Amino acid sequence: QVQLVESGGGVVQPGRSLRLSCEASGFTFSNYGMHWVRQAPGKGLEWLAVIWKDGNTKYYADSVNGRFTISRDNYKDTLYLQMNSLRAEDTAVYYCASSIIVAGMVDYWGQGTLVTVSS
Amino acid sequence: DIQMTQSPSSLSASVGDRVTITCRASQGIGNYLAWLQQKPGKAPKSLIYGASTLQSGVPSKFSGSGSGTVFTLTISSLQPEDFATYYCQQYNSYPLTFGGGTKVEIK
Repeated sequence: QVQLVESGGGVVQPGRSLRLSCEASGFTFSNYGMHWVRQAPGKGLEWLAVIWKDGNTKYYADSVNGRFTISRDNYKDTLYLQMNSLRAEDTAVYYCASSIIVAGMVDYWGQGTLVTVSS
Repeated sequence: DIQMTQSPSSLSASVGDRVTITCRASQGIGNYLAWLQQKPGKAPKSLIYGASTLQSGVPSKFSGSGSGTVFTLTISSLQPEDFATYYCQQYNSYPLTFGGGTKVEIK
């Protein structure tokens, strides 16, 4: 079955950087697009970024464009999110998710990793 | 960006009730609409895609309908395990956007 396991979250000071990872298993990772979505404490879901299967096409939400970079390693079946210039408002649970069933749709989700931006 | 508006934002219902949640898109999205369920402290779970197609393993008490700009999620007979927050999500165009959520609580 599809499994997505995020790691790399933690407490980081404003202005610093952090890289999240998402290890995928149970499907052919290199065949599908992948997403990052976050959820601030007590708030709704916010889509952040997508990377297509070949890694060459990416789209970002305006809120993170220019600060966050999505990437993937199809040999390691791993998705990444490089987060720079972090702000307090970036505090959230970060989920990786797949687009397996339908292109573009967010279907299977990881368990999430918490990022807290605080001095 | 396409704005997704859900109503109501919360509702109280009893076990066995029929519940309907509405999602409106700020512009036409065809049937590129998904519904997700999230329980406290857990990751979201996909229920429906293509506005009306049930994800594998999702019970038939859940149903979706609509196209264009107005969509509905119906739970035919609410059970204790259905008390959760439900989100709609459009995947017609980037950036993908979610509705604000509907919290279904026990009356």
